Amino acid sequence: AQSVAQPEDQVNVAEGNPLTVKCTYSVSGNPYLFWYVQYPNRGLQFLLKYITGDNLVKGSYGFEAEFNKSQTSFHLKKPSALVSDSALYFCAVRDGEGGSYIPTFGRGTSLIVHP
Amino acid sequence: DAMVIQNPRYQVTQFGKPVTLSCSQTLNHNVMYWYQQKSSQAPKLLFHYYDKDFNNEADTPDNFQSRRPNTSFCFLDIRSPGLGDAAMYLCATTQGGTHYEQYFGPGTRLTVT
Repeated sequence: AQSVAQPEDQVNVAEGNPLTVKCTYSVSGNPYLFWYVQYPNRGLQFLLKYITGDNLVKGSYGFEAEFNKSQTSFHLKKPSALVSDSALYFCAVRDGEGGSYIPTFGRGTSLIVHP
Repeated sequence: DAMVIQNPRYQVTQFGKPVTLSCSQTLNHNVMYWYQQKSSQAPKLLFHYYDKDFNNEADTPDNFQSRRPNTSFCFLDIRSPGLGDAAMYLCATTQGGTHYEQYFGPGTRLTVT
C-alpha cells in the first residue's frame, strides 16, 4: 500500500521569501517521489522527482525538494518565491519495487504568493 | 515537441447525452491513464491501459467507458452524463517499467447542463 499526505491545504508566502510545501509518504518498497504543479484550467506539469541518489533534487522553475528517508518526507522548496509560483501543487508516490506505475497523489496544496 | 493532446478543451453536454473525450500522444508511451478531477482536488484515477490491457478502478462508475484503438489514441466515453460528472478530465501517459514521471494533457473541462 502507498499513501501521501500534504498536511496544508494552503500556504501563503510573500514574494521574495523562501517557500516550503510539505509532503510525507508511506510505501512498502522503495519510494519514487514526484512533485507536480497545476495552474488554473490546465493539466499537471512535472516539476521534479526523486528516484535514487542525492537526497536534494533540483527541478524546473528553481524548485528543489529534499528526500528524507527517516522522516519519510519529500518537501518542496524554493529560495525566493515569485507571484507566478501561485498554483496548486501535488506530491505523488509510487512503489519503485515491483514495477508499480500507478502513483498515489496527495490532496494538493494551494500556494499563494503575495506581492 | 512530444506531447499529450486533449480535445476538446471545453465540452458542454446535456444531461443524459453521450459524450466522448479524446486524448492523443506523440511520446509513444505504453501506459495511458484517464483521471477525473473536481474543484482543485487530487486527480482520481478512472482507468488505465498498459499497452492494450485495460484496467478499471473498482469505484469507476459503469457510465464511464474507454477505448484505446492504438498506442497513440485513447478515448473516454460517458454514456449518460449526470450533473455529478461535471469535472476536469485529464489524460496522462508514462512508460511502464521505468521511473518516468507522468505526462499530462491540458485537460477537458466538461459541463453538464
